[in-house]
Amino acid sequence: DTGVSQDPRHKITKRGQNVTFRCDPISEHNRLYWYRQTLGQGPEFLTYFQNEAQLEKSRLLSDRFSAERPKGSFSTLEIQRTEQGDSAMYLCASSSPGADEQYFGPGTRLTVT
Amino acid sequence: SQQGEEDPQALSIQEGENATMNCSYKTSINNLQWYRQNSGRGLVHLILIRSNEREKHSGRLRVTLDTSKKSSSLLITASRAADTASYFCATEPTQGGSEKLVFGKGTKLTVNP
Repeated sequence: DTGVSQDPRHKITKRGQNVTFRCDPISEHNRLYWYRQTLGQGPEFLTYFQNEAQLEKSRLLSDRFSAERPKGSFSTLEIQRTEQGDSAMYLCASSSPGADEQYFGPGTRLTVT
Repeated sequence: SQQGEEDPQALSIQEGENATMNCSYKTSINNLQWYRQNSGRGLVHLILIRSNEREKHSGRLRVTLDTSKKSSSLLITASRAADTASYFCATEPTQGGSEKLVFGKGTKLTVNP
């Protein structure tokens, strides 16, 4: 069990650029979540996958954000036309069938300049 | 938006003392979980209490839940310098069905050696 991994750990980009983050959940975890955390706040839910199906999206997820989990394993989160307000830590978590606790990755810290 | 609030926002104690953090939330829940986050890192699951439970223990952790008051407390006994971190409560709302977590803003705990 290698835990949840995220790549990259840090990303600095200029406003208007597109960025893509990757999350590899714990193997055999069928549920995968994306959260966003800004300084001094708790994580906020963005979206949820069960296997390859995206079952819920927060209204925080504007049309510039898209997430995929094509084969029910790793997931990607893409932000198009980044804005300074997108600067945050993006956290991925996974959980196993029947379990309620979530296992978090180390996060990707995005800075938009 | 955040589900609720942790109290206090910051807590500083000496090693060996007990630390108590409180959490209030707004909607009916399936369970409440506590997570720890070391500076700039991912979250680590500590303990989960279900809505039909009132108290739970795990090692030096004790969590209580009062659903009538929509509140929970986390007690860390015999604190250590390594307990220094931010602590978040997270609720799984009854409505929704995705098992997403709704986090508070956290309590920043400092344990002085």
